[in-house]
Order: sequence, then structure tokens, then C-alpha cells
Amino acid sequence: DGGITQSPKYLFRKEGQNVTLSCEQNLNHDAMYWYRQDPGQGLRLIYYSQIVNDFQKGDIAEGYSVSREKKESFPLTVTSAQKNPTAFYLCASSAPGRAWGQYFGPGTRLTVT
Amino acid sequence: AQSVTQPDIHITVSEGASLELRCNYSYGATPYLFWYVQSPGQGLQLLLKYFSGDTLVQGIKGFEAEFKRSQSSFNLRKPSVHWSDAAEYFCAVGTDNYGQNFVFGPGTRLSVLP
Repeated sequence: DGGITQSPKYLFRKEGQNVTLSCEQNLNHDAMYWYRQDPGQGLRLIYYSQIVNDFQKGDIAEGYSVSREKKESFPLTVTSAQKNPTAFYLCASSAPGRAWGQYFGPGTRLTVT
Repeated sequence: AQSVTQPDIHITVSEGASLELRCNYSYGATPYLFWYVQSPGQGLQLLLKYFSGDTLVQGIKGFEAEFKRSQSSFNLRKPSVHWSDAAEYFCAVGTDNYGQNFVFGPGTRLSVLP
């Protein structure tokens, strides 16, 4: 079955450590996205990528970094510069253009203490 | 700039009652509109989408939505709510900007009373 996988489901880190969240898709989608979701809030776009080896900052990119070396993979690194990293992180992908909507992974809940 | 508003932050309905969740958008061109549902601790699932044609669209889980261009609205409806419908619902508009293609509303949390 095609879909998006995010691992792990839960992630715990100590303050000051970088952590990388995995996102893999087998939908053959060109575009991939990372969102952050805080309790009771909507989705905020961190980074997006339309094609391999290219990505753009979203609304809240500070303290985050990404890479897009393969079409299937779009890992997100939460760096120690991110002031409030504890959140629910969602990865999504879409076919080219706006017509098809986005498909979401199950999310990773990151807790930093 | 394009935007999506969902006026109701939280709605509570009784099981078996009808439901309408409101969504208004601001977008200059022809909108592509979507509704998503999110259960606690889960990702978002696409309920339905509107591209063109019939303004009443059917989705999964018994949901439907009606596009009204004159009101810039795309409200989600269900005739009889089930307890399992309790979740967060997000409206989104697909734009024609190369790059950031989608704008999401803030979400409406639905609670269902037994």
C-alpha cells in the first residue's frame, strides 16, 4: 500500500541535542512538507520541497533544517537553536500542483526536556 | 494573500444530531478546497475535495460539503453524527502558487455527546 511513514511515533530528547525526524513516502509524489502542530492550534508550515535537492522555508523555519536527497525522503532536523521544540510534527506529500490535496503521515510527537 | 477561516473553534453536538462546520476562504482565483479530519495523536485524513462542477461534493464517512462561491464558503455537513466523529476538522484551500500550495484553516474541534 502507498503511503507516508514517519518514525518514530514518540521521540524524547534532552535540551541542547539535535534530533532528526524521518519521513518516507512511496506515493511517487514530487512535493513534501513538514508542519508543526501545538496543542489546540492548527498547522504551521516549517519547510517544503517541490523537487529533489530543492527546498524552501515555510513560516517557522528558524531552528529547523531539512534535506531532500531522494524523492522518497524528507528528513527534518530539529536543532538546539529551536527554542520550543516540543510539539507534534507532521509530514505530508502531494502530487504536482494544487489539485490533489496533501497526504499526511501519522506524525511524530517530540518531547524535549 | 489567500486565507482560510473556521469561525468555530469548538462545537459540541449530540450523537445522532446533524452537523455543519463552517469554512470561509479568501482567494482570488478558482479555489480548490479540501476538508481533513484528525483524530487525537494522528495524522490528517482527507475527507473530501472540490475542484469544479457540482457544488455539492460527497466524501468518506458520510460527510458532504457545499461550495458557495458567492459566500466564499465550503461548509462541511453530516446528517447524523456518530461518537466516532469526534475529532479536529481542518479546511484547506489549494493555491496556484508554485511552492507553498496549500493554506489550512485553524481547525474546529468536534465533541460528540452520547
